[in-house]
Amino acid sequence: ETGVTQSPTHLIKTRGQQVTLRCSSQSGHNTVSWYQQALGQGPQFIFQYYREEENGRGNFPPRFSGLQFPNYSSELNVNALELDDSALYLCAGLKQGYNYGYTFGSGTRLTVV
Amino acid sequence: KQEVTQIPAALSVPEGENLVLNCSFTDSAIYNLQWFRQDPGKGLTSLLLIQSSQREQTSGRLNASLDKSSGRSTLYIAASQPGDSATYLCAVRPGTGGFKTIFGAGTRLFVKA
Repeated sequence: ETGVTQSPTHLIKTRGQQVTLRCSSQSGHNTVSWYQQALGQGPQFIFQYYREEENGRGNFPPRFSGLQFPNYSSELNVNALELDDSALYLCAGLKQGYNYGYTFGSGTRLTVV
Repeated sequence: KQEVTQIPAALSVPEGENLVLNCSFTDSAIYNLQWFRQDPGKGLTSLLLIQSSQREQTSGRLNASLDKSSGRSTLYIAASQPGDSATYLCAVRPGTGGFKTIFGAGTRLFVKA
């Protein structure tokens, strides 16, 4: 149990559809970040949320959006899915403070066909 | 722009060997560096976190070092076991503000029994 839970574990969508991925983080993880990991590559930063507001974004188009809720859960929404969106999507929680690193969930494997 | 490189990309060793995985980064202004383990299709498990003011961290058979001035970190695995087979990822959190953590592409390790 890492303290970060993602759902669903696997998902198959058709090109052009929309998808919502969910992340539940333990209390104290006031920052949540989302990453996309293509096969054989390192995770790429999508965006992060702090106290329910986006405060950092990577090189991803606006059709990637997110939400963070007061109970530390969050969502990643992707509109107009493309084949290249097929990847493992990872959510990471971060506690405030010097001594803490990221805690990752197990990820959601999204396949776009 | 921070870039993180991991060498080698893949490594195969017999059981019992001591081995070193390398991580280099281009911007020495970092907040911390974190080593992760990833099993195929799974999320990331944190192994060691080194703060920018620290030189090394140890956990069991693992030892990670950090040399900010040269932009290098190494992960040393003693007495490798088949269960150590996984991909090892290095991640750098910038010290200039923000939480955008940059990952290397990882080193795929296979330990032969």
